[in-house]
Order: sequence, then C-alpha cells, then structure tokens
Amino acid sequence: DAMVIQNPRYQVTQFGKPVTLSCSQTLNHNVMYWYQQKSSQAPKLLFHYYDKDFNNEADTPDNFQSRRPNTSFCFLDIRSPGLGDAAMYLCATSRDYTHYEQYFGPGTRLTVT
Amino acid sequence: AQTVTQSQPEMSVQEAETVTLSCTYDTSESDYYLFWYKQPPSRQMILVIRQEAYKQQNATENRFSVNFQKAAKSFSLKISDSQLGDAAMYFCAYGSSNTGKLIFGQGTTLQVKP
Repeated sequence: DAMVIQNPRYQVTQFGKPVTLSCSQTLNHNVMYWYQQKSSQAPKLLFHYYDKDFNNEADTPDNFQSRRPNTSFCFLDIRSPGLGDAAMYLCATSRDYTHYEQYFGPGTRLTVT
Repeated sequence: AQTVTQSQPEMSVQEAETVTLSCTYDTSESDYYLFWYKQPPSRQMILVIRQEAYKQQNATENRFSVNFQKAAKSFSLKISDSQLGDAAMYFCAYGSSNTGKLIFGQGTTLQVKP
C-alpha cells in the first residue's frame, strides 16, 4: 500500500547529541511536512518542502533543520536536542497545496535523556 | 491569520449513540478547505472527512457527517452509531489553498462508553 513511513518509531538521544529522523513516502506527493506534537496538543508545523523548495515556519528554532534529497525522502535533523524537544514528530505529505488533504505517518517518539 | 477553535476538550458518548463535536474557525480567505482528523491512542493521524468551502453540500463518509455553516464559520462533526473504535482525539483543521498549511484546533478527546 502507498503510505508514509517514519523511522525509527522510537528514538532515544542524549541531551545535546544530534539526532536524525527519517520520513519516506510512496505516494509521489510534491509536499512533505514536519510537525512537532507534544502530549495532548495539536501538531505544530516546523517546516515543509514543496518539491525542493524549503519553507520554514517563523517560530521554528534554528536547532531544527531538514533535508529532502529526493521526492521520496525527507529528514529532520535536531542539532543539539534539549529536554524540551522531547515530543512526537509527525511527517505528512500532500499532493499539492490546493484542495488536497495531508497524509500522516505514524510518527517518531523522541525521548531526550 | 486563520484560527481554529474546538471548545470541547472532552466528550463522551454511549456506544451506538450519536455525538457532535464542535469547531469554529476564522479566516479572511475565500478559498479554503476543512478537515476532521482522528488520532487514536496509537497516535497515527487519520483523515475522517473533508469539506471544500465552495461546496454547499455537507460532506458525508459512512457514519461521519459534517454540518458546514460557512457564514457562521462553523464546521461540526457528527458521529452516528458510535463504536468503541471511535474513541480518539479529534482535530478540526483548516487548510489554506494559498499556503498548503493546516491549522489545527486544540482537539477534542472522545470517550465511547460500552
């Protein structure tokens, strides 16, 4: 089945140790999104790619970066994780901007020790 | 800026009964779309139903239907014949055709009682 895949599902990292989360999609969608979701809260958009064009949210900390080497893959890099970065990270895709829903992956639960 | 408000943090319904989750939004855009997403305890966000703003007819997907009141900027979700598997957090979301971004409400946790 076409889908959005996130690896790993659970990630434990140490305070200040860089970590990379991975997202891949078989939907051939143009847009890929990264969200941060803390417990019982709505997802918060960090940034998104439209094809190769990167769009950062104004309040996304510099500590968070992203790469999209090709249509299928997108990575979230956290350069120096702090305790406040512990959260669920959701990847989503959309065919286009106009009138298309977003499809979400299962998420990666990040723990910072 | 667009905002989405879900005023019911928690709701409960008896199995087989009907429940309505409320959502209001604010926007100055003319072209947009609205969604209800479901996030069960396993945490994967699943699309329940979508509504294009230009369509007057309310969307329906099996037991799920919406009441879209464009002038009032209201978009409620009705779940009929509630099932135990409907227990989840439900997010109302506004989709901008210009930016492709989703703006989520705060979520409503739905409990289904057997």
